[in-house]
Amino acid sequence: GEDVEQSLFLSVREGDSSVINCTYTDSSSTYLYWYKQEPGAGLQLLTYIFSNMDMKQDQRLTVLLNKKDKHLSLRIADTQTGDSAIYFCAGGLAAGNKLTFGGGTRVLVKP
Amino acid sequence: DTAVSQTPKYLVTQMGNDKSIKCEQNLGHDTMYWYKQDSKKFLKIMFSYNNKELIINETVPNRFSPKSPDKAHLNLHINSLELGDSAVYFCASSHRGGGPERFFGPGTRLTVL
Repeated sequence: GEDVEQSLFLSVREGDSSVINCTYTDSSSTYLYWYKQEPGAGLQLLTYIFSNMDMKQDQRLTVLLNKKDKHLSLRIADTQTGDSAIYFCAGGLAAGNKLTFGGGTRVLVKP
Repeated sequence: DTAVSQTPKYLVTQMGNDKSIKCEQNLGHDTMYWYKQDSKKFLKIMFSYNNKELIINETVPNRFSPKSPDKAHLNLHINSLELGDSAVYFCASSHRGGGPERFFGPGTRLTVL
């Protein structure tokens, strides 16, 4: 089955860019997602990318997909203290199939 | 206006009890899921229903029984609760024939004493 891995922790200064990395094993994943989880809260869908795309930009968020290396990244520009959270990447096949999640990257934004 | 809602938000109970968690979505989605998030924040799929039909059933003890009375609801019933069942349980929904967005509920924190 799919295996998704992420680094555990990232510390960044307010105003800098953050880059969160993720690797996955199943090249047949059709969609790759980034979710944000704030303390005590549920999962908020940030963005997703279709596997035939290399990049997707949405305001401060940029997703890069390297299919050859099975590597997904999320760049947050001008990181704010409100961006402190756990970020999960996830992969899935067709729209109705399960998602397989990475272990989450805890991002701490320092003022 | 909540898209995916779960009740209760917190559930504290004794070992051996039976409990249920309810989930409802008002997005018109036809597929719903239950995920379990353990203390280390790992998220694992448990079940998935499409139009009231079970389509994903991961290796979950049969003490866990999902029930879908209609496509807007997916409830999770747990019998004979054990300490290891303590976790946060998330319900989610998506539209199988539509876009890939998956929306999650706020979670139910289950603590078994």
